[in-house]
Amino acid sequence: DADVTQTPRNRITKTGKRIMLECSQTKGHDRMYWYRQDPGLGLRLIYYSFDVKDINKGEISDGYSVSRQAQAKFSLSLESAIPNQTALYFCATSDSSGRGDTQYFGPGTRLTVL
Amino acid sequence: AQTVTQSQPEMSVQEAETVTLSCTYDTSENNYYLFWYKQPPSRQMILVIRQEAYKQQNATENRFSVNFQKAAKSFSLKISDSQLGDTAMYFCAFMKHLNTPLVFGKGTRLSVIA
Repeated sequence: DADVTQTPRNRITKTGKRIMLECSQTKGHDRMYWYRQDPGLGLRLIYYSFDVKDINKGEISDGYSVSRQAQAKFSLSLESAIPNQTALYFCATSDSSGRGDTQYFGPGTRLTVL
Repeated sequence: AQTVTQSQPEMSVQEAETVTLSCTYDTSENNYYLFWYKQPPSRQMILVIRQEAYKQQNATENRFSVNFQKAAKSFSLKISDSQLGDTAMYFCAFMKHLNTPLVFGKGTRLSVIA
Protein backbone atom coordinates (compact mmCIF):
# COMPACT_ATOMS: atom_id res chain seq x y z
CA ASP A 1 0.00 0.00 0.00
CA ALA A 2 1.10 3.55 -0.72
CA ASP A 3 2.55 5.48 2.21
CA VAL A 4 0.81 8.74 1.25
CA THR A 5 -2.67 8.48 -0.22
CA GLN A 6 -4.98 11.12 -1.60
CA THR A 7 -8.70 10.90 -2.23
CA PRO A 8 -10.28 11.40 -4.63
CA ARG A 9 -7.77 10.92 -7.44
CA ASN A 10 -9.93 12.87 -9.86
CA ARG A 11 -12.90 15.13 -9.28
CA ILE A 12 -15.09 17.29 -11.45
CA THR A 13 -17.31 19.80 -9.72
CA LYS A 14 -19.26 22.97 -10.39
CA THR A 15 -18.62 26.56 -9.43
CA GLY A 16 -19.80 27.34 -5.93
CA LYS A 17 -19.64 23.79 -4.59
CA ARG A 18 -17.75 22.88 -1.43
CA ILE A 19 -15.01 20.37 -2.03
CA MET A 20 -12.74 18.47 0.36
CA LEU A 21 -9.54 16.77 -0.70
CA GLU A 22 -8.14 14.28 1.76
CA CYS A 23 -4.61 13.14 2.48
CA SER A 24 -3.61 10.24 4.69
CA GLN A 25 -0.18 8.86 5.50
CA THR A 26 1.12 5.74 7.19
CA LYS A 27 4.70 6.98 7.45
CA GLY A 28 4.28 8.41 10.95
CA HIS A 29 5.54 11.79 9.79
CA ASP A 30 4.64 14.90 11.73
CA ARG A 31 4.86 17.45 8.94
CA MET A 32 2.39 17.68 6.08
CA TYR A 33 2.02 20.01 3.12
CA TRP A 34 -0.47 20.88 0.39
CA TYR A 35 0.81 22.07 -2.99
CA ARG A 36 -0.98 23.08 -6.13
CA GLN A 37 0.38 22.47 -9.65
CA ASP A 38 -0.67 24.52 -12.65
CA PRO A 39 0.76 24.15 -16.16
CA GLY A 40 3.72 26.48 -16.61
CA LEU A 41 3.75 27.50 -12.95
CA GLY A 42 5.26 24.52 -11.17
CA LEU A 43 4.10 23.62 -7.67
CA ARG A 44 3.09 26.28 -5.19
CA LEU A 45 2.48 25.93 -1.48
CA ILE A 46 -1.08 26.32 -0.19
CA TYR A 47 -0.84 25.32 3.49
CA TYR A 48 1.46 23.34 5.73
CA SER A 49 1.29 21.82 9.19
CA PHE A 50 4.18 21.03 11.51
CA ASP A 51 1.96 19.06 13.89
CA VAL A 52 -1.70 18.66 14.77
CA LYS A 53 -1.91 22.03 16.50
CA ASP A 54 0.23 23.98 14.04
CA ILE A 55 -1.23 25.21 10.74
CA ASN A 56 0.48 27.73 8.49
CA LYS A 57 -0.54 29.56 5.36
CA GLY A 58 1.52 29.21 2.25
CA GLU A 59 1.98 31.36 -0.82
CA ILE A 60 -1.53 30.88 -2.23
CA SER A 61 -3.88 30.14 0.69
CA ASP A 62 -6.74 32.44 -0.34
CA GLY A 63 -9.88 30.46 -1.13
CA TYR A 64 -8.65 27.38 0.74
CA SER A 65 -8.82 26.05 4.29
CA VAL A 66 -7.26 23.01 5.94
CA SER A 67 -7.85 20.68 8.84
CA ARG A 68 -5.29 18.45 10.57
CA GLN A 69 -7.63 15.91 12.14
CA ALA A 70 -4.84 13.68 13.36
CA GLN A 71 -1.15 13.31 12.76
CA ALA A 72 -1.90 11.04 9.81
CA LYS A 73 -4.62 13.13 8.14
CA PHE A 74 -4.53 16.55 6.53
CA SER A 75 -7.55 17.75 4.54
CA LEU A 76 -7.81 20.64 2.11
CA SER A 77 -11.15 22.35 1.56
CA LEU A 78 -12.43 24.67 -1.10
CA GLU A 79 -15.40 26.39 0.50
CA SER A 80 -16.83 27.69 -2.77
CA ALA A 81 -14.96 26.33 -5.75
CA ILE A 82 -14.19 28.58 -8.70
CA PRO A 83 -12.83 27.67 -12.17
CA ASN A 84 -9.34 29.06 -11.54
CA GLN A 85 -8.94 26.48 -8.78
CA THR A 86 -8.81 23.84 -11.49
CA ALA A 87 -5.40 22.25 -10.91
CA LEU A 88 -3.47 19.21 -9.76
CA TYR A 89 -3.19 19.08 -5.97
CA PHE A 90 -0.42 17.27 -4.10
CA CYS A 91 -0.07 16.35 -0.47
CA ALA A 92 3.41 15.71 0.92
CA THR A 93 4.91 14.67 4.24
CA SER A 94 8.26 14.91 6.01
CA ASP A 95 9.70 13.67 9.28
CA SER A 96 11.26 16.21 11.64
CA SER A 97 12.92 13.42 13.62
CA GLY A 98 14.43 11.83 10.55
CA ARG A 99 15.97 13.03 7.34
CA GLY A 100 14.09 16.28 7.13
CA ASP A 101 15.25 17.15 3.67
CA THR A 102 13.03 14.56 2.00
CA GLN A 103 9.36 15.13 1.26
CA TYR A 104 7.19 12.21 0.23
CA PHE A 105 4.44 13.03 -2.20
CA GLY A 106 1.03 11.50 -2.67
CA PRO A 107 -0.22 10.58 -6.14
CA GLY A 108 -2.10 13.85 -6.61
CA THR A 109 -5.73 14.85 -7.07
CA ARG A 110 -6.80 16.35 -10.37
CA LEU A 111 -9.62 18.81 -9.69
CA THR A 112 -11.71 20.40 -12.42
CA VAL A 113 -14.12 23.20 -11.56
CA LEU A 114 -16.67 23.91 -14.27
CA ALA B 1 11.66 35.20 -0.31
CA GLN B 2 13.44 32.50 -2.20
CA THR B 3 12.85 32.07 -5.91
CA VAL B 4 13.79 29.28 -8.30
CA THR B 5 14.13 29.83 -12.03
CA GLN B 6 14.17 27.21 -14.74
CA SER B 7 14.82 29.02 -18.00
CA GLN B 8 14.15 26.10 -20.36
CA PRO B 9 10.43 25.31 -20.63
CA GLU B 10 11.07 22.42 -23.02
CA MET B 11 14.05 20.38 -24.14
CA SER B 12 14.63 17.29 -26.20
CA VAL B 13 17.51 14.83 -26.44
CA GLN B 14 18.32 11.78 -28.48
CA GLU B 15 18.34 8.47 -26.71
CA ALA B 16 21.79 7.63 -25.25
CA GLU B 17 22.91 11.26 -25.42
CA THR B 18 23.58 13.63 -22.53
CA VAL B 19 21.40 16.59 -21.61
CA THR B 20 21.72 19.35 -19.02
CA LEU B 21 18.78 21.12 -17.41
CA SER B 22 19.40 24.54 -15.90
CA CYS B 23 18.25 25.95 -12.59
CA THR B 24 19.14 29.14 -10.78
CA TYR B 25 17.87 30.34 -7.44
CA ASP B 26 17.93 33.37 -5.24
CA THR B 27 18.51 33.25 -1.50
CA SER B 28 20.37 35.04 1.26
CA GLU B 29 20.82 31.82 3.22
CA ASN B 30 24.19 30.14 3.50
CA ASN B 31 23.00 26.62 4.31
CA TYR B 32 20.07 25.18 2.39
CA TYR B 33 19.04 22.20 0.29
CA LEU B 34 18.41 21.78 -3.42
CA PHE B 35 16.51 19.07 -5.26
CA TRP B 36 15.55 17.81 -8.66
CA TYR B 37 12.18 16.07 -8.96
CA LYS B 38 10.91 14.10 -11.93
CA GLN B 39 7.24 13.96 -12.87
CA PRO B 40 6.46 11.35 -15.54
CA PRO B 41 3.07 11.17 -17.27
CA SER B 42 1.80 9.17 -14.29
CA ARG B 43 2.08 12.58 -12.48
CA GLN B 44 3.85 11.04 -9.47
CA MET B 45 6.55 13.29 -8.01
CA ILE B 46 9.82 11.35 -7.83
CA LEU B 47 12.95 12.64 -6.10
CA VAL B 48 15.89 12.36 -8.48
CA ILE B 49 18.74 13.91 -6.55
CA ARG B 50 19.45 16.20 -3.60
CA GLN B 51 22.32 18.53 -2.69
CA GLU B 52 23.21 20.10 0.63
CA ALA B 53 24.64 23.58 0.15
CA TYR B 54 27.36 23.03 2.73
CA LYS B 55 28.78 20.15 0.70
CA GLN B 56 31.16 21.19 -2.04
CA GLN B 57 31.05 17.82 -3.77
CA ASN B 58 28.43 17.53 -6.47
CA ALA B 59 25.77 14.89 -5.85
CA THR B 60 25.52 11.90 -8.17
CA GLU B 61 22.86 9.21 -8.50
CA ASN B 62 23.65 6.70 -11.24
CA ARG B 63 23.10 8.50 -14.57
CA PHE B 64 22.05 11.72 -12.85
CA SER B 65 24.50 14.30 -11.56
CA VAL B 66 24.42 17.94 -10.62
CA ASN B 67 26.70 20.89 -11.15
CA PHE B 68 26.29 22.97 -8.02
CA GLN B 69 27.82 26.43 -8.23
CA LYS B 70 27.05 28.07 -4.88
CA ALA B 71 28.50 31.48 -5.64
CA ALA B 72 26.60 31.67 -8.90
CA LYS B 73 23.47 30.19 -7.26
CA SER B 74 23.23 27.64 -10.02
CA PHE B 75 22.14 24.01 -9.76
CA SER B 76 22.00 22.19 -13.09
CA LEU B 77 21.05 18.56 -13.67
CA LYS B 78 22.96 16.39 -16.11
CA ILE B 79 21.37 13.22 -17.41
CA SER B 80 23.82 10.86 -19.08
CA ASP B 81 22.91 8.03 -21.47
CA SER B 82 19.34 9.35 -21.75
CA GLN B 83 16.62 6.72 -21.84
CA LEU B 84 13.05 6.86 -23.11
CA GLY B 85 11.87 6.50 -19.51
CA ASP B 86 13.55 9.80 -18.67
CA THR B 87 10.80 11.60 -20.61
CA ALA B 88 9.09 13.72 -17.96
CA MET B 89 8.70 17.14 -16.39
CA TYR B 90 11.68 18.02 -14.23
CA PHE B 91 11.36 20.45 -11.34
CA CYS B 92 14.15 22.15 -9.48
CA ALA B 93 13.30 22.88 -5.84
CA PHE B 94 14.79 24.77 -2.89
CA MET B 95 14.45 24.11 0.83
CA LYS B 96 15.55 26.85 3.23
CA HIS B 97 15.84 24.68 6.34
CA LEU B 98 15.17 21.03 7.09
CA ASN B 99 11.51 20.17 7.32
CA THR B 100 10.28 23.36 5.72
CA PRO B 101 8.24 23.76 2.54
CA LEU B 102 9.80 23.41 -0.87
CA VAL B 103 9.94 26.26 -3.37
CA PHE B 104 9.69 24.95 -6.91
CA GLY B 105 10.72 26.24 -10.30
CA LYS B 106 8.23 26.20 -13.15
CA GLY B 107 9.64 23.03 -14.63
CA THR B 108 11.34 21.81 -17.78
CA ARG B 109 9.59 19.31 -20.02
CA LEU B 110 12.16 16.83 -21.32
CA SER B 111 11.47 14.57 -24.27
CA VAL B 112 13.83 11.70 -25.05
CA ILE B 113 13.66 10.79 -28.72
CA ALA B 114 14.41 7.32 -30.04
